Amino acid sequence: EAGVAQSPRYKIIEKRQSVAFWCNPISGHATLYWYQQILGQGPKLLIQFQNNGVVDDSQLPKDRFSAERLKGVDSTLKIQPAKLEDSAVYLCASSLDGRMYEQYFGPGTRLTVT
Amino acid sequence: QKEVEQDPGPLSVPEGAIVSLNCTYSNSAFQYFMWYRQYSRKGPELLMYTYSSGNKEDGRFTAQVDKSSKYISLFIRDSQPSDSATYLCAMSVDSSYKLIFGSGTRLLVRP
Repeated sequence: EAGVAQSPRYKIIEKRQSVAFWCNPISGHATLYWYQQILGQGPKLLIQFQNNGVVDDSQLPKDRFSAERLKGVDSTLKIQPAKLEDSAVYLCASSLDGRMYEQYFGPGTRLTVT
Repeated sequence: QKEVEQDPGPLSVPEGAIVSLNCTYSNSAFQYFMWYRQYSRKGPELLMYTYSSGNKEDGRFTAQVDKSSKYISLFIRDSQPSDSATYLCAMSVDSSYKLIFGSGTRLLVRP
């Protein structure tokens, strides 16, 4: 069974530029999550999708971050414009319906904002 | 005060030692408790989860939950150099609520 795929693995941009990350969850997983992990901290949930719909985006900085999940499979997370404090690893995870406690993570995208 | 606290380490032990990793928490509503292992430059990998109180064993790993003390532990028996990683605890109030992660404990197992 293929795991959660993410791309790119690394990205370096200047502040005020825009960037997008892509995620393909495990086949059959209806729930998809985007996390932000700052160095030395645990992952923080940014947004959770159930199929196409948003379940929780309470910690997503909506003035600059956006996310979508078209057709209930792949998802993209966008930052526009980026700030220095957005430097972090962006992790995508997926799980079967109702199994928040059993999430499977992708390798992450390491973003550096200069 | 953070909802979930973990000592950042690093915790350095010799190969073969028994390792104890711990988290404390403040929210008594937490019911699900997870342990993840994260190697450098990789995503977290789920090791095990427990529901409510009690113990759960999986191979060399044992998870314990003490809800009365708001304290959870992960024990690793016969530790190996390949166990060197950051261990993250995570918690949730129910099966559909978001996970709250600790900041992780870095473990080094010396050959």
